[in-house]
Amino acid sequence: GAGVSQSPRYKVAKRGQDVALRCDPISGHVSLFWYQQALGQGPEFLTYFQNEAQLDKSGLPSDRFFAERPEGSVSTLKIQRTQQEDSAVYLCASSGLAGWTGELFFGEGSRLTVL
Amino acid sequence: ILNVEQSPQSLHVQEGDSTNFTCSFPSSNFYALHWYRWETAKSPEALFVMTLNGDEKKKGRISATLNTKEGYSYLYIKGSQPEDSATYLCAFYRSGGYQKVTFGTGTKLQVIP
Repeated sequence: GAGVSQSPRYKVAKRGQDVALRCDPISGHVSLFWYQQALGQGPEFLTYFQNEAQLDKSGLPSDRFFAERPEGSVSTLKIQRTQQEDSAVYLCASSGLAGWTGELFFGEGSRLTVL
Repeated sequence: ILNVEQSPQSLHVQEGDSTNFTCSFPSSNFYALHWYRWETAKSPEALFVMTLNGDEKKKGRISATLNTKEGYSYLYIKGSQPEDSATYLCAFYRSGGYQKVTFGTGTKLQVIP
């Protein structure tokens, strides 16, 4: 596709449920980022992939959060045993080259609400 | 933890007014600063990529300036229109290592017709 695609756009989960959020980046983009945006905050870094390698996962808030990008294209962010504090918009962004300071291309985000 | 701050947090202006807001960031280890516009229910879109001290960029009625020595950037909107209503995010790129980006909390602008 022409842009970054995320699914689902909206997800309501009961506390304790597992969820999986998908990101389909722009074809050929090497770098892929996940961000979490809580209400009233700016996007907070979660993790970074260069192709299939997860180079930085320092922003993942707990071991309930797991991300993968097995073939260097589509990425999935999985949250196990969701908690209310996980409610946020999860943004995926991609860019062309590793180390490039060009713009990030964002998806529309996945809004997760945990009841 | 890097401090990237934006002010004000929110702003209401009348159609036709000009406005500006601020992004402040660490003055050391600067590599680049981006401005993004994020409209409700859409994805953030890049407005400007700024890399040099003294940079001034312009796109239509929107312009931005950059001062890396003192660690701030201004975004200006001249003659605000309702379609300018959005959250404006700045993103700081630190030198060294890969492109880890720190975002500010954003300025939410509402232009009243």
